Amino acid sequence: TQLLEQSPQFLSIQEGENLTVYCNSSSVFSSLQWYRQEPGEGPVLLVTVVTGGEVKKLKRLTFQFGDARKDSSLHITAAQPGDTGLYLCAGVSGNQFYFGTGTSLTVIP
Amino acid sequence: DAGVTQSPTHLIKTRGQQVTLRCSPKSGHDTVSWYQQALGQGPQFIFQYYEEEERQRGNFPDRFSGHQFPNYSSELNVNALLLGDSALYLCASSRRGGNTGELFFGEGSRLTVL
Repeated sequence: TQLLEQSPQFLSIQEGENLTVYCNSSSVFSSLQWYRQEPGEGPVLLVTVVTGGEVKKLKRLTFQFGDARKDSSLHITAAQPGDTGLYLCAGVSGNQFYFGTGTSLTVIP
Repeated sequence: DAGVTQSPTHLIKTRGQQVTLRCSPKSGHDTVSWYQQALGQGPQFIFQYYEEEERQRGNFPDRFSGHQFPNYSSELNVNALLLGDSALYLCASSRRGGNTGELFFGEGSRLTVL
């Protein structure tokens, strides 16, 4: 079993603050994805990172893939209430997707 | 272009009963994966179907079984339900060999076992 641990598990912050979510594993993946899931819906893909050390920016969100392709981070700048949701990392190996334990983010107006 | 559709959206069963959940993949997708998700947790992989065969399986007992039909739609069956089977069951579709490697999820079927 390839396990991805996310930290923190829960995060409650004020609008405008910055935050970082971590995704760590002992396994190497060909790529790593981040999804966001809102209540009552399925996860939706935010980004895929493929190369070790890769950094991708999506507006206020910055994603980084570790050099060894085992870990990743998601940084949100100036969080907004619309960022509220469950953030999931997923390691990809072949046709298999291994999801992390999840980080539940609440942004308070 | 319809996305992934799942039915039913909610259902309540009692211990020992059996349940069947259904999934229609996104148009153009040929692979269906099923996940079990506890509240606030990450999805746990149950199994994946491609070309009407179970290709990969997670750490779930034989009570969990599935099927894929020629039109790529899929069913998840759970027998002898336990209280611990209460969860959100997610179906995700993808295109094998596709370049994006993206999973498209349905909204899920919320199962409550009493």
